Amino acid sequence: DIQMTQSPSSLSASVGDRVTITCRASQGIGNDLGWSQQKPGKAPKRLIYAASTLESGVPSRFSGSGSGTEFTLTISSLQPEDFATYYCLQHNSYPYTFGQGTKLEIK
Amino acid sequence: EVQLLESGGGLVQPGGSLRLSCAASGFSFSTFDMTWVRQAPGKGLEWVSVFRHRDSSTYYADSVKGRFTISRDNSKNTLFLQMNSLRAEDTALYYCVKGAHCDYWGQGTLVTVSS
Repeated sequence: DIQMTQSPSSLSASVGDRVTITCRASQGIGNDLGWSQQKPGKAPKRLIYAASTLESGVPSRFSGSGSGTEFTLTISSLQPEDFATYYCLQHNSYPYTFGQGTKLEIK
Repeated sequence: EVQLLESGGGLVQPGGSLRLSCAASGFSFSTFDMTWVRQAPGKGLEWVSVFRHRDSSTYYADSVKGRFTISRDNSKNTLFLQMNSLRAEDTALYYCVKGAHCDYWGQGTLVTVSS
């Protein structure tokens, strides 16, 4: 099975900051990776697919990059509504696997 | 508008069974792969199973293989998850998710396994 190692597990930042979250795959997965955001008590919402393609309606301050084994999610200027938990998902080979999550908190 | 409405969760004793349902609307259900993902209380997301629409193939997480069965009824736009031999560690919010790549999520149904 492919293991997804997400870091950091938690992150404190301020409104306006630029933040980066990383997912590393235990083996190459091409660009078969998505990023989702989950707010407390809510279902996850996918932000990015194919490693770098933004879902319709997702603000352009979100961006994704990477291929192979290393991927990043970057928020260029944090907004109050961005404080949430973020997960990566590899969909290259079964069983698909999520990263452990990154909880983004307000400093 | 895509809607996914899960049902069938509840309290069940260890070793028991439960069948979850997911009623889908707002998209052409029969032409999409469908996925179940779960989240234990206070924990992260865990991929559980997928039903591929093209060839009706199914795949499972190692943690549920042999105990859970995913199925679908395209005539009723409904996805199912039959869960047998339930364990305490199966306690979680179970999400029905559109697509193999998890592009749209339902609100979930809670399964609690406890004596």
